[in-house]
Amino acid sequence: DQQVKQNSPSLSVQEGRISILNCDYTNSMFDYFLWYKKYPAEGPTFLISISSIKDKNEDGRFTVFLNKSAKHLSLHIVPSQPGDSAVYFCAASRNTGNQFYFGTGTSLTVIP
Amino acid sequence: DADVTQTPRNRITKTGKRIMLECSQTKGHDRMYWYRQDPGLGLRLIYYSFDVKDINKGEISDGYSVSRQAQAKFSLSLESAIPNQTALYFCATSGTGGLNQPQHFGDGTRLSIL
Repeated sequence: DQQVKQNSPSLSVQEGRISILNCDYTNSMFDYFLWYKKYPAEGPTFLISISSIKDKNEDGRFTVFLNKSAKHLSLHIVPSQPGDSAVYFCAASRNTGNQFYFGTGTSLTVIP
Repeated sequence: DADVTQTPRNRITKTGKRIMLECSQTKGHDRMYWYRQDPGLGLRLIYYSFDVKDINKGEISDGYSVSRQAQAKFSLSLESAIPNQTALYFCATSGTGGLNQPQHFGDGTRLSIL
């Protein structure tokens, strides 16, 4: 049973505009969330994370928002650049920290 | 040089064969993980190890075994490969500065079982 879900397999955005990638989770015990970016033929690379004690974390062009009541997080990329074109995975864990549960990924295409 | 190295990068083999995928890391991390990625299913955890004497099953360990030969090496074995183990396999590592440390991934091994 998929505990972390990314319901949009793909997203296309014009360069310079905002990209919003969404992620939902079902396990209320999750309290740490991460986003990874993956280019073809490479492994995922860590992008940004957020703890459940926060509702927003920002790093340059990337901001992650967490809505615990809705069990929903989102990644905002502003402004989007062609180099952002990749597959984005969200992941979640409990504070026991033993396992990360990954979503199915969203393929982002930024159109020049 | 890559911090997390997986060998081989690609492998095609036949049903029933024994296969070993290897992972080595130069990051000095204690924690190592094996995942598989299937289309539409994301990454799923197979096994993980928090130090040389520690081995733990993940979500989908059936049909797999692992060996942690040293802090830097973690290998995944398929004792008798079957076609539904065709997937992209990733090794990952993480540090121990607190429980929730991001994972660092290798570039993957694409395994095809005929």
